[in-house]
Amino acid sequence: DSGVTQTPKHLITATGQRVTLRCSPRSGDLSVYWYQQSLDQGLQFLIQYYNGEERAKGNILERFSAQQFPDLHSELNLSSLELGNSALYFCASSPMRTTPTNTEAFFGQGTRLTVV
Amino acid sequence: AQSVTQLDSQVPVFEEAPVELRCNYSSSVSVYLFWYVQYPNQGLQLLLKYLSGSTLVKGINGFEAEFNKSQTSFHLRKPSVHISDTAEYFCAVSKGSQGNLIFGKGTKLSVKP
Repeated sequence: DSGVTQTPKHLITATGQRVTLRCSPRSGDLSVYWYQQSLDQGLQFLIQYYNGEERAKGNILERFSAQQFPDLHSELNLSSLELGNSALYFCASSPMRTTPTNTEAFFGQGTRLTVV
Repeated sequence: AQSVTQLDSQVPVFEEAPVELRCNYSSSVSVYLFWYVQYPNQGLQLLLKYLSGSTLVKGINGFEAEFNKSQTSFHLRKPSVHISDTAEYFCAVSKGSQGNLIFGKGTKLSVKP
């Protein structure tokens, strides 16, 4: 158990809909990362938050957004969903933003999103 | 821009045989290197990491990796694999000032009895 909790584990929704994925980081971790894993694109970094503020952006669509709340949990919002957005979405957390020894990220078990 | 290439998408091997999973990276700056393992229907678990210092890094479950700066490689090795090592293995890099990881496409290790 990594200590990172993601809910829900599975989600099935229709095209055009909006969903919210939730992540609770390990206790004390300030950084939260979101990744997308799909068969064609592999594992891709989407976005990082550090202590409530956006820290880095990767290949995240404009239809997708995220936020990190004062209690440090994070939510990834996916809207106007398309079939191609079906994927496994991982959240990871790490203690600090820049300390080299703390760049290890701990991953949750993911949310499998199926768009039908 | 950084990138990671895992040269083999699938590696079949017999139990108790040695295995090497290859990883090459490209980056114009110093990077940190990681190997993660993903068991079926699980998240990613860190096997080992290279930040600095000794180029031979030992990780969990008997795995080790060697950082080779001149060849920009970070190959993962295990002298004797078990059935339980069957999983997908991901090589990843990050820049020191950023925590986000750039992953390779993954290598599926299949250990046969």
